[in-house]
Amino acid sequence: NAGVTQTPKFQVLKTGQSMTLQCAQDMNHEYMSWYRQDPGMGLRLIHYSVGAGITDQGEVPNGYNVSRSTTEDFPLRLLSAAPSQTSVYFCASSSLPGQGVEQYFGPGTRLTVT
Amino acid sequence: AQSVSQHNHHVILSEAASLELGCNYSYGGTVNLFWYVQYPGQHLQLLLKYFSGDPLVKGIKGFEAEFIKSKFSFNLRKPSVQWSDTAEYFCAVSYTGGFKTIFGAGTRLFVKA
Repeated sequence: NAGVTQTPKFQVLKTGQSMTLQCAQDMNHEYMSWYRQDPGMGLRLIHYSVGAGITDQGEVPNGYNVSRSTTEDFPLRLLSAAPSQTSVYFCASSSLPGQGVEQYFGPGTRLTVT
Repeated sequence: AQSVSQHNHHVILSEAASLELGCNYSYGGTVNLFWYVQYPGQHLQLLLKYFSGDPLVKGIKGFEAEFIKSKFSFNLRKPSVQWSDTAEYFCAVSYTGGFKTIFGAGTRLFVKA
């Protein structure tokens, strides 16, 4: 099993550009989520999904869109990149949240917006 | 709002020293508590978790954590750290029935050889 994969690993964007961060998992997990990691702030939840066709907002959803057309894939779209979106982005997956359910994380995408 | 506080942002220890990292969460309810670790250049991985039963849980690499419900705490401990424990450690909490996991700000541990 590859687990959770993310592409690209690194990306530099200019302000105003759009792009999609890809995330895929091969563990048949219903739950997938996107976090951003910023120094001193830990991981903050951007969006999450509890199954194909079902998504919801996390703590910091503004400027990001998601969709979940299949169980395996959960792409994150930046509509119009801003320097404040410079961060490391992690995708995670798990069984549906419940007692003791842990998340499995991808390797991350380091995004710089100039 | 739900929150998780980690008491130390940076910790520097010498090898063989004992480690305790503090973690408090904001309020009660049926909780699931986690410590994740991120080694340099790697992604997050689970160190240990608590969801029921014995409040003292043991994880990988000699780490353990104690859930104290009355103090809303889940502190991480290791009796003797090694250079290879240099990493960032994140405490996290989820509430049974909810769909969100809340992470603390992280503690960067540097162990001097």
